[in-house]
Amino acid sequence: NAGVTQTPKFRVLKTGQSMTLLCAQDMNHEYMYWYRQDPGMGLRLIHYSVGEGTTAKGEVPDGYNVSRLKKQNFLLGLESAAPSQTSVYFCASSRTNPYEQYFGPGTRLTVT
Amino acid sequence: AQSVTQLDSQVPVFEEAPVELRCNYSSSVSVYLFWYVQYPNQGLQLLLKYLSGSTLVESINGFEAEFNKSQTSFHLRKPSVHISDTAEYFCAVSGSTDKLIFGTGTRLQVFP
Repeated sequence: NAGVTQTPKFRVLKTGQSMTLLCAQDMNHEYMYWYRQDPGMGLRLIHYSVGEGTTAKGEVPDGYNVSRLKKQNFLLGLESAAPSQTSVYFCASSRTNPYEQYFGPGTRLTVT
Repeated sequence: AQSVTQLDSQVPVFEEAPVELRCNYSSSVSVYLFWYVQYPNQGLQLLLKYLSGSTLVESINGFEAEFNKSQTSFHLRKPSVHISDTAEYFCAVSGSTDKLIFGTGTRLQVFP
């Protein structure tokens, strides 16, 4: 099993550009999450999903959109990137509750 | 609303010394508590969890944490640390929601 994978690992965007981050899990987990990690701020939840076709807002959803069309994939979109979105993005999944989350390796995004 | 406070952003310690990483939480409902560990350039991994039962929980690599309801704390301890324990440690809480609330993290630096 690959666990949780994230694509791409690194990306540099110019302000105003758009991109999509892909998260995939092969553990048949119901729950999936997108976090951002910034120095001194820990992990902040952007959006999450409790099953295929569902999404919900987390703590910092503004400027991001998500989709969960297939159970194994959770996509995070930035429609118009801003420098404030420079961060490391982590995807996570869990089976049927949020307690034991399995994290991907992260995507380092820089917006100039 | 639930929240988690990690009082120390950095904890330097010499190898083989004991260590305590502090975590306090606030919640109006019963909680489940977790410690996650993040090694350099990796995602987070679950270290240990308290769901119910014994208030003292242990990990496979010698860490332990004690749930103290009266002091709303879940401090992480290890009697003798190793160089390989150098990492960032995150305390997290979950109550009646579908998500975890993470603290801001404590960077444990073990020196030889």
